[in-house]
Amino acid sequence: EVQLVESGGGLVKPGGSLRLSCAASGFTFSSYSMNWVRQAPGKGLEWVSSISSSSSYIYYADSVKGRFTISRDNAKNSLYLQMNSLRAEDTAVYYCARDISAGAGYWGQGTLVTVSS
Amino acid sequence: DIQMTQSPSSLSASVGDRVTITCRASQSISSYLNWYQQKPGKAPKLLIYAASSLQSGVPSRFSGSGSGTDFTLTISSLQPEDFATYYCQQSYSTRFTFGPGTKVDIK
Repeated sequence: EVQLVESGGGLVKPGGSLRLSCAASGFTFSSYSMNWVRQAPGKGLEWVSSISSSSSYIYYADSVKGRFTISRDNAKNSLYLQMNSLRAEDTAVYYCARDISAGAGYWGQGTLVTVSS
Repeated sequence: DIQMTQSPSSLSASVGDRVTITCRASQSISSYLNWYQQKPGKAPKLLIYAASSLQSGVPSRFSGSGSGTDFTLTISSLQPEDFATYYCQQSYSTRFTFGPGTKVDIK
């Protein structure tokens, strides 16, 4: 069974940093691109970042470019999102999702990031 | 970036109704269009990929059509479990974008 489990969310002050993790199981992690998608409270879905299976290709939304860094460790079946210079508008539930380019059939349960003083 | 719009933003319907949601891209995206259903507090669920292909396990009352810039999601006979928010998402560009969503609630 495919499982994606996010962790690392929490309360952080503006300007602070947080690192999200997504633990994958039930499939060959190294064969799939992975993504982060977020959803602010009461708002719609926003794609944040994507990384190819071998980390050769990485893309970011303009809203996070230069502040967030996506990475993966195929040996550990894990996806990461390093978030720096956090702003109030980064407050959201962050989901990891598999292979959004083909329609993301698998999502994690999400982890809440709250940026507030 | 490719912008996605959806209409309507919300609708009220009754069980058994036929429901159609429209999604429009700011440029041609061929058939690189996916549809998701999301219920409160839950992760999105993939319904349709590549504009018209039904994801495994999704009821056949859901269907998708369109290509280029205009797409539709149709629910042929609305069921109680279908009350949710629906999002389109383009996968033509590597900078993926979602539509703003269409909330379907009970009339």
